[in-house]
Amino acid sequence: GESVGLHLPTLSVQEGDNSIINCAYSNSASDYFIWYKQESGKGPQFIIDIRSNMDKRQGQRVTVLLNKTVKHLSLQIAATQPGDSAVYFCAETRTGANSKLTFGKGITLSVRP
Amino acid sequence: DVKVTQSSRYLVKRTGEKVFLECVQDMDHENMFWYRQDPGLGLRLIYFSYDVKMKEKGDIPEGYSVSREKKERFSLILESASTNQTSMYLCASSFVLGGGPATNEKLFFGSGTQLSVL
Repeated sequence: GESVGLHLPTLSVQEGDNSIINCAYSNSASDYFIWYKQESGKGPQFIIDIRSNMDKRQGQRVTVLLNKTVKHLSLQIAATQPGDSAVYFCAETRTGANSKLTFGKGITLSVRP
Repeated sequence: DVKVTQSSRYLVKRTGEKVFLECVQDMDHENMFWYRQDPGLGLRLIYFSYDVKMKEKGDIPEGYSVSREKKERFSLILESASTNQTSMYLCASSFVLGGGPATNEKLFFGSGTQLSVL
């Protein structure tokens, strides 16, 4: 049969509101996690990372939360701006020789003016 | 700032052509990677290299090869391009953080090459 392209899930938020982007990761042995932002026509950009010995890490306007019990990662963006509109990817890895990052499929954040 | 430069932003090739995608990084990173990005499939690792002249297969190496003759340059080669290789190709680099070769952390990406194979 004909294959249909998959659409990324989309989160739509009002400018100025806080955004929460969620990610479920798959490998319970993963100990390092990254959030990337990819704007249209550009490669992914590093936003923030967190190691498994932490459950929260803050950056400028962004916070990453890690819940290892349920293998859940979230990215919180405070006071969302139009420039935050992008696709966001989470990535996980178990650090060590020849480790590889496994990327999530991505979530589109759309900021309404 | 780390700069990862991919030589072409857009490429159009014909089926059966040999295609070279070039990537250069300026931060003396040991590790370099090639991914392809397709709608609904996310980023998939094709090949990576953790040292000059070293290469390792990623998750989808079939139909591709790579070359790393110099530390700063990592080339992806499509020996005989096919239409199912139409995709966005992303190069990335990272440095070793002490966890051993190819410790895959904090990748820095280029802007990508959108390849269309007709």
